[in-house]
Amino acid sequence: DIQMTQSPSTLSASVGDRVTITCRASQSISRWLAWYQQKPGKAPKLLIYKASSLESGVPSRFSGSGSGTEFTLTISSLQPDDFATYYCQQYNSYTETFGQGTKVEIK
Amino acid sequence: QVQLQESGPGLVKPSQTLSLTCSVSGGSISSGDFYWSWIRQPPGKGLEWIGYISYSGSTYYNPSLKSRLTISVDTSKNHFSLKLSSVTAADTAVYYCARAPEFYAFDIWGQGTMVTVSS
Repeated sequence: DIQMTQSPSTLSASVGDRVTITCRASQSISRWLAWYQQKPGKAPKLLIYKASSLESGVPSRFSGSGSGTEFTLTISSLQPDDFATYYCQQYNSYTETFGQGTKVEIK
Repeated sequence: QVQLQESGPGLVKPSQTLSLTCSVSGGSISSGDFYWSWIRQPPGKGLEWIGYISYSGSTYYNPSLKSRLTISVDTSKNHFSLKLSSVTAADTAVYYCARAPEFYAFDIWGQGTMVTVSS
């Protein structure tokens, strides 16, 4: 199975900060990577697919990059609505896996 | 706009079978190249992919659950289902259904349903 490792597990930041979350795959997944945002009690929301494509309706302050085994999610200027948990997910094979999550907290 | 809604018992006894249904509204489950999926999240923990059934009827399961798992589609009722047998407390989680277009990520999710395994 392909393992996904996110870092950091928790991130403390302030409104307006630039925030970067990293996701590493245990083997190459090309660009078959997605990022989700989840708020307490809610279903995850797709932000980024195919490593860097912005899902319709998602603010442009969110961006993704990477290929192979190393990927990043960047929030260019953190907004109050962005405090949440973020997950990466690989869909390279017919056995999908998620990272363990990164909680973005208010500093 | 397509919407998904999970339904099923909120409490299941250990060793019994957990059965959930995901109803699809706003579109036909048999149209388009979609993978109809189940994902779960134990309380306070991360997301775990359970499995999915493709538009062609092929099923793909998480290897750790494969021996206990069945995912099926009922096109006449426009829904798909999950059956997980021999459940234990470790199967306690919020269960989500979701849709993934082919070569795409999970773009539409249900609201989730909490299932507790307890006697």
